[in-house]
Amino acid sequence: TQLLEQSPQFLSIQEGENLTVYCNSSSVFSSLQWYRQEPGEGPVLLVTVVTGGEVKKLKRLTFQFGDARKDSSLHITAAQPGDTGLYLCAGAKGNSGAGSYQLTFGKGTKLSVIP
Amino acid sequence: GAGVSQSPSNKVTEKGKDVELRCDPISGHTALYWYRQSLGQGLEFLIYFQGNSAPDKSGLPSDRFSAERTGGSVSTLTIQRTQQEDSAVYLCASSLTGSNEKLFFGSGTQLSVL
Repeated sequence: TQLLEQSPQFLSIQEGENLTVYCNSSSVFSSLQWYRQEPGEGPVLLVTVVTGGEVKKLKRLTFQFGDARKDSSLHITAAQPGDTGLYLCAGAKGNSGAGSYQLTFGKGTKLSVIP
Repeated sequence: GAGVSQSPSNKVTEKGKDVELRCDPISGHTALYWYRQSLGQGLEFLIYFQGNSAPDKSGLPSDRFSAERTGGSVSTLTIQRTQQEDSAVYLCASSLTGSNEKLFFGSGTQLSVL
C-alpha cells in the first residue's frame, strides 16, 4: 500500500508556466518534507511543514500542508529549466521514535521544464 | 568532504555474489540512514543508526541484508547472495541528531544484479 500518493507522475511544461504537484494520503503525518532529486544525485531537502494549514514560500516555490495534515501541495510560479527534477514528498508519522525517522516517501513527480 | 559520501557510485554484480556498499556521513552527524530507491518506486527505509543505540533494522527486506556502523561514523551495507530484485539505487543519509532532523543524502550506489 502506497501511503503517499503523488500526482501527476510526470509533468512537462514550458518555461514561464505555473504548476502544482500534489501529495495525498489517508494517513495523518506529524510533518511533511519536500525534496528535489536530480539524476545521479541524492534528494535535497527543500522544506519541512509541520502545522496543519501551514504555507511556506521559498522564492518561486510555495508549499502548503493541509489542515488535517494528510496532504500537501507544491506550487511553482514561472517555472524555469533549473526547476527540472524529481520532486518527492516524505512524511513522518511521529515526533519521536520510529515514526519520526522512518520517513514514508511518495513515488515522486518528474518535472521537465522546456526552455 | 562536506557532504555524505557513498562508494562505489556504480556496482554491477552477478546473481549470487555478495556486495558491500559504503557510506561516509557528514562529520558530527550522529544519525545515519539507508534507503533503497527502486525504479519507479519511492524511497524505501532500510535501517537507522543513532549514536550508540541499537540500530532499527525493521526495514531490511530479508536476512541477506545487513549493515553495520563502525565507531559511530562509516557504515557498510552488505547484501549476500544478491538477486535481480536487489537492483536499485541505495541511498545513505545522515542527520545531526535524528528524529525529524534535516536529512543530507549521498549520491547513492546504483546496484545492478545480472
